[in-house]
Amino acid sequence: GQNIDQPTEMTATEGAIVQINCTYQTSGFNGLFWYQQHAGEAPTFLSYNVLDGLEEKGRFSSFLSRSKGYSYLLLKELQMKDSASYLCASMDSNYQLIWGAGTKLIIKP
Amino acid sequence: GAVVSQHPSRVICKSGTSVKIECRSLDFQATTMFWYRQFPKQSLMLMATSNEGSKATYEQGVEKDKFLINHASLTLSTLTVTSAHPEDSSFYICSARDSYSGQGDSYEQYFGPGTRLTVT
Repeated sequence: GQNIDQPTEMTATEGAIVQINCTYQTSGFNGLFWYQQHAGEAPTFLSYNVLDGLEEKGRFSSFLSRSKGYSYLLLKELQMKDSASYLCASMDSNYQLIWGAGTKLIIKP
Repeated sequence: GAVVSQHPSRVICKSGTSVKIECRSLDFQATTMFWYRQFPKQSLMLMATSNEGSKATYEQGVEKDKFLINHASLTLSTLTVTSAHPEDSSFYICSARDSYSGQGDSYEQYFGPGTRLTVT
C-alpha cells in the first residue's frame, strides 16, 4: 500500500533549527514535495526533490534518500511566522500526490 | 505566475441546497485539476481528479453524484456539492497543474485559497 509517515507535532524555539522527517512508501516514485500550510489557508509549495541529496533554499532545506524512502525538511533561524503545518507528499507513478497527515510545528519565543 | 483562484472563499448554505465552487487557473492552462477536502486538524484528502474535456476520476468513498465536477475548459473546474448536509461542512481546496511543463518539479500543484463551506 501507499503510506506517508511524519510526526504529528513538533515544538521548537525561535532562532533555533528544526528537522521534520518524512518516510514514504508509494507505488512508483516521481519526487517528494514539501508544503507549508497555515491554519485556515491553502498549502504553499516549499520544495521538490527527485534526486538524492540536499536542496537548499534560503532558511529552508530539503533532503531526500530514495533508497531509504526518507526525506526531511530543515528549517533554520526559526521565526514565529514559521508556526504552521508542514505537509510531506510523495508523487507516485501516476504523478499523483500521496499526502502525509502533516506535522504541526509550534514555535516558542 | 501560477496563480489559482477559488470562489467563493466562504459560503454558508442550508441543508438540502446545492453549492457550486469555482476553481480557475489565472495565468496558465491546466489539463488537470484536483479537488481536496480538509477537515479541521487533518491532512488533505483527495476527492477527485478533474481532467479537461473528460469525466472526473473520483477517489474511493467519494460519491460522484453528490460531488459533481465539471472541467469544461483549460482554466476552469467547478465542484458542485448537491443536497448539502451538515457533515459536508469542510474546507474545500482545489489545485491545478500546468499542462505544458515537462520537468519533474513542474508536477507541482498550485493551490487555490480554499472555500470554507458551512451547511446549517
